[in-house]
Amino acid sequence: QKEVEQDPGPLSVPEGAIVSLNCTYSNSAFQYFMWYRQYSRKGPELLMYTYSSGNKEDGRFTAQVDKSSKYISLFIRDSQPSDSATYLCAMSGRTSYDKVIFGPGTSLSVIP
Amino acid sequence: DGGITQSPKYLFRKEGQNVTLSCEQNLNHDAMYWYRQDPGQGLRLIYYSQIVNDFQKGDIAEGYSVSREKKESFPLTVTSAQKNPTAFYLCASSIRPNQPQHFGDGTRLSIL
Repeated sequence: QKEVEQDPGPLSVPEGAIVSLNCTYSNSAFQYFMWYRQYSRKGPELLMYTYSSGNKEDGRFTAQVDKSSKYISLFIRDSQPSDSATYLCAMSGRTSYDKVIFGPGTSLSVIP
Repeated sequence: DGGITQSPKYLFRKEGQNVTLSCEQNLNHDAMYWYRQDPGQGLRLIYYSQIVNDFQKGDIAEGYSVSREKKESFPLTVTSAQKNPTAFYLCASSIRPNQPQHFGDGTRLSIL
């Protein structure tokens, strides 16, 4: 079993839809949770960063962490064609020597 | 503007040739990383460095070499021993290994 699993998609939604992207993980020591967006031929950019459980909102994006279920989600409201990209989840442990582990990414297309 | 600069954007390698990919950061980050990304695939860690003059192998280090003589710079050499070098190479840095990584825009390497 991989440490971080993510449905690769592709996921295709109409413009304006609410998008839900999810990751599951196996290591209960993970404390930091991140979401990255990667456009084609570009490097990933950090979208959201949360510590431990709970929700965090930033504009149209909401990150949710459920540590009891080892499950994290990224919600995108009012999706736009410019949201079309690959979304990678990532997570790490509490000590400064723990490495960040990336999920394989979910490809999202938002159709106008 | 602080960030990570990778050069060149595109690189071509001849058979039996070593090539070096440049990565420079002005974020004052201690940790730096090299990843390989193949089409439709996630990030695979090649090498990482937590401090100057120290680096460790990642999951796919064979056929690659690195150096970390300066905090700002972490060049990657793709040697002739790497038989399948065609890929998108990403460099990243972070304050500490368990903190979010910031990425460059990648170098696309192809075989001539």
